[in-house]
Amino acid sequence: DVKVTQSSRYLVKRTGEKVFLECVQDMDHENMFWYRQDPGLGLRLIYFSYDVKMKEKGDIPEGYSVSREKKERFSLILESASTNQTSMYLCASSLGYGAEAFFGQGTRLTVV
Amino acid sequence: GENVEQHPSTLSVQEGDSAVIKCTYSDSASNYFPWYKQELGKRPQLIIDIRSNVGEKKDQRIAVTLNKTAKHFSLHITETQPEDSAVYFCAASKGSARQLTFGSGTQLTVLP
Repeated sequence: DVKVTQSSRYLVKRTGEKVFLECVQDMDHENMFWYRQDPGLGLRLIYFSYDVKMKEKGDIPEGYSVSREKKERFSLILESASTNQTSMYLCASSLGYGAEAFFGQGTRLTVV
Repeated sequence: GENVEQHPSTLSVQEGDSAVIKCTYSDSASNYFPWYKQELGKRPQLIIDIRSNVGEKKDQRIAVTLNKTAKHFSLHITETQPEDSAVYFCAASKGSARQLTFGSGTQLTVLP
C-alpha cells in the first residue's frame, strides 16, 4: 500500500511564526501536492511538485512556499503564519498524469 | 484553469435509499474523474473513478456516470448503509495535468 505520512497531526503556532509541515511518501511517486481543506470550500491546491527541486503554484499559493530536496519528501512552509491560515492541510502523492492521488492523514494547524 | 462544481453540499437519506451527487466541470479537455470518500477524522480515499472513454462504471453499490457533452458526472450509491455516511469529493483532471481539481464536497448522512 502507498503510504503518505505527515509529520504532525495537530499543530498550534503563534502569529508571525515560521511553520514547517512535512510530508513523506514511500512509493517513489514523482508528484507531490499540498492541499488546504476548509468547510464548504473543498480541497484547494496550494503547490505541487513533479520532481526534486521543481515546484508549481496551485490555486492559492499566497503566503506559502514549498521545498522538495528529495523525491520522497515535500515540505510546506508558512513564512509568517497568520490566523487566516488556520486550516486542515493535506499532503498527497501520485504517479504520472491524470492519476489517483494518495493522501496523508492531514495536519490540523491552528494559528493563534 | 479547471473549475469543478459539486451539488448538493449536504444530503440526508434513509438507510436503504439511493443517494446521488452531481458535479460539473469546465475544461472540455478533462478526461479523468475520480471520487473520494472522507470519513470523519480520516484521509480522503478513492472509491471509484472513470475515464472519458466510458460513460458508466459500477463497483457493487456505487456507480459513476459521465456525460461529456454536458460536462457533468455523477456518483450513485444504492442501498445506502450508515457506514456510507462521509464527505464525498468529486475531482477532474486532464491528460496533460498532474494535479486534480476538486469539488467543494458533499456531506452524506445515512439515517438509520
